Amino acid sequence: GAVVSQHPSRVICKSGTSVKIECRSLDFQATTMFWYRQFPKQSLMLMATSNEGSKATYEQGVEKDKFLINHASLTLSTLTVTSAHPEDSSFYICSAERATEAFFGQGTRLTVV
Amino acid sequence: AQSVTQLGSHVSVSEGALVLLRCNYSSSVPPYLFWYVQYPNQGLQLLLKYTSAATLVKGINGFEAEFKKSETSFHLTKPSAHMSDAAEYFCAARFSGGYNKLIFGAGTRLAVHP
Repeated sequence: GAVVSQHPSRVICKSGTSVKIECRSLDFQATTMFWYRQFPKQSLMLMATSNEGSKATYEQGVEKDKFLINHASLTLSTLTVTSAHPEDSSFYICSAERATEAFFGQGTRLTVV
Repeated sequence: AQSVTQLGSHVSVSEGALVLLRCNYSSSVPPYLFWYVQYPNQGLQLLLKYTSAATLVKGINGFEAEFKKSETSFHLTKPSAHMSDAAEYFCAARFSGGYNKLIFGAGTRLAVHP
């Protein structure tokens, strides 16, 4: 099956700093990628749809200036959490679309201290 | 509104027993439906999917699900649970006109005890 790689798997950062998370489709091109946030013992909440070569589409309530998304190529989308605060600590997961199927990265556990 | 509902946030079964995880959707047009499994601190792995072909869908690890339009359901089953099946399971739907977005249910945590 298709492979989506997400990096890093874990990151700890200081409050006020920025963190970049990468999502790569390793063996296929993805014009669309999605970014999710998952709180402990909860479901996935869609944050934004990342479109190659254009601006991301954010879900209602998601701060565009805090969660910067860049989809500069057909195999890479990045999510940057800017000026991170402890409440941004969470599990972030990306997915890339191929045909009618979504392939998920391994997730990134972000801890802001 | 289009939604996915998973009945039962926690399900506990004995090893070797039948696994039944429930999923219902709400929409006038049947969506594409998916079941995913998530192990701790990992991403999601696709178990199976329904895309308007056969209503009984077989997936990996012995799981299967049946799409029932009259009941707007897509329940996941496995005849005999293994300890390794203990995980979080998510039902998801891709609705018509939803721009390829996946809408997830709240998830069901499956526990398997000896």
